[in-house]
Amino acid sequence: EPEVTQTPSHQVTQMGQEVILRCVPISNHLYFYWYRQILGQKVEFLVSFYNNEISEKSEIFDDQFSVERPDGSNFTLKIRSTKLEDSAMYFCASSRRPDWGASGNTIYFGEGSWLTVV
Amino acid sequence: GENVEQHPSTLSVQEGDSAVIKCTYSDSASNYFPWYKQELGKRPQLIIDIRSNVGEKKDQRIAVTLNKTAKHFSLHITETQPEDSAVYFCAANGGGGADGLTFGKGTHLIIQP
Repeated sequence: EPEVTQTPSHQVTQMGQEVILRCVPISNHLYFYWYRQILGQKVEFLVSFYNNEISEKSEIFDDQFSVERPDGSNFTLKIRSTKLEDSAMYFCASSRRPDWGASGNTIYFGEGSWLTVV
Repeated sequence: GENVEQHPSTLSVQEGDSAVIKCTYSDSASNYFPWYKQELGKRPQLIIDIRSNVGEKKDQRIAVTLNKTAKHFSLHITETQPEDSAVYFCAANGGGGADGLTFGKGTHLIIQP
């Protein structure tokens, strides 16, 4: 079964440093997402990306965050100047389409990148 | 935006018994309701989902029911086994074609041997 893959699995960074998290979505998927989960809390939507541009973003996704699809396979999340509260598990996800009403369409999560800001 | 409430936060059941987790949502335009199982340090894994054109869906020991009028949906696990122990999250999409899923706060299901 195809999978969403993420790197790194774990990263420790100093406050104020820039971090880039990388993802390879499932190859025939068109919609890509980033979610985050602070330890012990629920999963929260950050951003969706389609056709090389942001489709939707949440309130969490402020100016310190950016996303990019630098080539035909990778999808990245950049955090420009990390804060302690950015420490969380970041999940990349992908789906064939965003039409949730379509039978069989669903979202697949990667294994996550655990970010620790010190 | 969408708001999803999930109860209970912790549920302990004897092995072999049934477990029920309930969620409510706020946006009447939501039409997709997945349930995810998450083991410690792992990714959320889809276990079952339901769309608003049906009221119930079953997959072996797992079933989901949806009441659109009341805006609530429930996960039912029968004949629980130790490997069912995990955190379960419900989610709903926002209406109006919103891309992101809104998750509940999770239920820690503990199966007592």
